[in-house]
Amino acid sequence: LAKTTQPISMDSYEGQEVNITCSHNNIATNDYITWYQQFPSQGPRFIIQGYKTKVTNEVASLFIPADRKSSTLSLPRVSLSDTAVYYCLVGPGPRTGTASKLTFGTGTRLQVTL
Amino acid sequence: DTAVSQTPKYLVTQMGNDKSIKCEQNLGHDTMYWYKQDSKKFLKIMFSYNNKELIINETVPNRFSPKSPDKAHLNLHINSLELGDSAVYFCASSQGGGTNEKLFFGSGTQLSVL
Repeated sequence: LAKTTQPISMDSYEGQEVNITCSHNNIATNDYITWYQQFPSQGPRFIIQGYKTKVTNEVASLFIPADRKSSTLSLPRVSLSDTAVYYCLVGPGPRTGTASKLTFGTGTRLQVTL
Repeated sequence: DTAVSQTPKYLVTQMGNDKSIKCEQNLGHDTMYWYKQDSKKFLKIMFSYNNKELIINETVPNRFSPKSPDKAHLNLHINSLELGDSAVYFCASSQGGGTNEKLFFGSGTQLSVL
């Protein structure tokens, strides 16, 4: 599975847009990019998944350049409740293989303050 | 209704004891998982079951034995607990068995071995 690199931590003020970039230089042709969010004392929660270009949902946007060697999770107008750890994962797409074998790295710890 | 629920939330025990963690999902998913999150916050897959059948066993010591009585339940039994087993254990489920399927996590069981 493709190795990912993301910043260990980021700080933001409430109301700002936050962009977290993940590098995945050895991403394979059939790999998808998935982001999860984890609050303290909770399990990770799926945020968004994409293959190329841009994906947007009610929570975030995911920007993937043409070479797909990196991706950026964009959180619009963050609030204090967005303080969490954000994980970037890369692996073969849904409905391929037998089961998810994804290992979550240390993620990016986002701290939002007033 | 909690989608993926696991019990207990906290488990404190002595070395050498045997303990179990239970997990249930009401999402109708076919695949269930056990993940371990260590003190460095790496979240790594341990086991995966698809329709009660073991499909992933990630070099976990055989003191750990998962049991799936039906596809909605995946329990984890740990024999002869060791200090290094202290961690947070997360149960998860996904609709299918694809490598990058959307995972739904429980809130975790914090195991402390004294």
